[in-house]
Amino acid sequence: DAKTTQPPSMDCAEGRAANLPCNHSTISGNEYVYWYRQIHSQGPQYIIHGLKNNETNEMASLIITEDRKSSTLILPHATLRDTAVYYCIVRVVGRALTFGSGTRLQVQP
Amino acid sequence: DTEVTQTPKHLVMGMTNKKSLKCEQHMGHRAMYWYKQKAKKPPELMFVYSYEKLSINESVPSRFSPECPNSSLLNLHLHALQPEDSALYLCASSQGTRTGTEAFFGQGTRLTVV
Repeated sequence: DAKTTQPPSMDCAEGRAANLPCNHSTISGNEYVYWYRQIHSQGPQYIIHGLKNNETNEMASLIITEDRKSSTLILPHATLRDTAVYYCIVRVVGRALTFGSGTRLQVQP
Repeated sequence: DTEVTQTPKHLVMGMTNKKSLKCEQHMGHRAMYWYKQKAKKPPELMFVYSYEKLSINESVPSRFSPECPNSSLLNLHLHALQPEDSALYLCASSQGTRTGTEAFFGQGTRLTVV
């Protein structure tokens, strides 16, 4: 699986956009980029995934660079409930999710 | 229904006990997973079942024994555990093991071995 690099922690003001970066410079053509988050003591929650194009759903937007070597998860209006560890995962065909260290996002009031 | 249900939520067991963790999903998913998560660490994959057959065992000690009785159920049988096995045990399911299908996680069983 391609390795991902995320900052260990980030802060964001409530109501502002949270932009979480992820580097995956060794990603191969058939690997998707997934984002999950884990709120304290709960199971990981799926957020969004994409292959090449930018994606948006009710939770977030995913921006993938043209060379696919990095991506950004955008939470458009962060709330206190968005405080969590966010995992960027690159997934090989036929393989299970492998979690890296993630980014601990703290949304400040 | 996008729910994966794990029972029990909390479990305390002695090192000589035998216990089982249960996981259930009714989404028609054909792949199911067990993960282990230690405090302040990311989840680590233990086992993968695909179409009710064990497809991946990540070199997990034999004191952990998975079982998939049918396509909706996944068990993890525990025997002779050590205190260092105390962790959050997470179950997940997905439509298959193909890329492009997201996995749904249960809330986990917090296991304490005394």
